[in-house]
Amino acid sequence: AQTVTQSQPEMSVQEAETVTLSCTYDTSENNYYLFWYKQPPSRQMILVIRQEAYKQQNATENRFSVNFQKAAKSFSLKISDSQLGDTAMYFCAWTGANSKLTFGKGITLSVRP
Amino acid sequence: GAGVSQSPRYKVAKRGQDVALRCDPISGHVSLFWYQQALGQGPEFLTYFQNEAQLDKSGLPSDRFFAERPEGSVSTLKIQRTQQEDSAVYLCASSFSEETQYFGPGTRLLVL
Repeated sequence: AQTVTQSQPEMSVQEAETVTLSCTYDTSENNYYLFWYKQPPSRQMILVIRQEAYKQQNATENRFSVNFQKAAKSFSLKISDSQLGDTAMYFCAWTGANSKLTFGKGITLSVRP
Repeated sequence: GAGVSQSPRYKVAKRGQDVALRCDPISGHVSLFWYQQALGQGPEFLTYFQNEAQLDKSGLPSDRFFAERPEGSVSTLKIQRTQQEDSAVYLCASSFSEETQYFGPGTRLLVL
């Protein structure tokens, strides 16, 4: 079965500092996509970053970057220069041949002023 | 451009009542997905359309749940004879390709 594990239920970071959110996944497929989504308290799920499994280069989007370790099936998200607006629940997700997203349980990130 | 929209945003239903939740995908998006999100949990897949064809309904929890997308655009998720365990946020997502999905704001359903 395809699974996504986010073992940290919550984290806290000081504004302007860097934080890393962990995610591991399990799949037997070779071609797949990994995502981090952000869900603020308003509940709109927003795409943060995406990684294609066939690409060795780690994806980056402004202050957000990933550390993708395919052999270890690890996909962590690094947020640099944390801002108050980064406070949200963050979900790691996976999709493969069946098109549907499989999500982890999420991690609540709080950015302290 | 407009994102995915869902209506109603909130719905309170009495146990046994039927409800219909609507999703308007991003214009031109071929694929449409429904997910159910329990409080404090990650979304769980319900069903998936490509145009008007329902390609996967393996996540629908019971035969009380029914989804349709008759013209390949707007989709409706219907829940018959609602039960308290149906209380959740129902998320709709659409995609142009089958990799990146964009989500709507969700419909929060509370069954009393």
